[in-house]
Amino acid sequence: GAVVSQHPSWVICKSGTSVKIECRSLDFQATTMFWYRQFPKQSLMLMATSNEGSKATYEQGVEKDKFLINHASLTLSTLTVTSAHPEDSSFYICSAVTGDNSPLHFGNGTRLTVT
Amino acid sequence: AQTVTQSQPEMSVQEAETVTLSCTYDTSESDYYLFWYKQPPSRQMILVIRQEAYKQQNATENRFSVNFQKAAKSFSLKISDSQLGDAAMYFCAYRSAWGGGTSYGKLTFGQGTILTVHP
Repeated sequence: GAVVSQHPSWVICKSGTSVKIECRSLDFQATTMFWYRQFPKQSLMLMATSNEGSKATYEQGVEKDKFLINHASLTLSTLTVTSAHPEDSSFYICSAVTGDNSPLHFGNGTRLTVT
Repeated sequence: AQTVTQSQPEMSVQEAETVTLSCTYDTSESDYYLFWYKQPPSRQMILVIRQEAYKQQNATENRFSVNFQKAAKSFSLKISDSQLGDAAMYFCAYRSAWGGGTSYGKLTFGQGTILTVHP
């Protein structure tokens, strides 16, 4: 089955630094990937839609300059949290679409802690 | 815009018993997909079951089945013979069947229901 690999699975960084999270589709090409954010015991909130070769589409209220998304190839999308602050600490999950009528495939998520 | 509502923040069930998780949604579209995802403590999102809106027959996957009421916009999940491994957070999700646009495949999630299974 389709596999989505997300790396790193957890990261701790200092306030003011930037962190990059990678989302790779291992055995299929993903023209569209989605980035979600999840707080403990809460739902997944869509942050942005990443499309290969074009600018990402951000949801209302998501800071584009804070959460940089790059989808440079059909198998890789990256989310960079710039100038991270403790309130950016959260669980970030990516997902990818393989094609028509197929369910989304999720990465295992990244737990970000900003100290 | 579509919305998904799960009105049960927490549910509990005895092992081997049956439990039903509720989900309602709002949409103006006629063709769409509905999903139930399970998120155990590992936080991996696991697809439990999927329903196409154009199909009248309720989807079934082993111990998991749904009651899909399109007119009422209701999509409940029934777990039979509950097992300890079923304990997790369950999310109901909606996805448009429309294939165009850069947001194809976008999922809208409900708030989630935490299911506890008692031995």
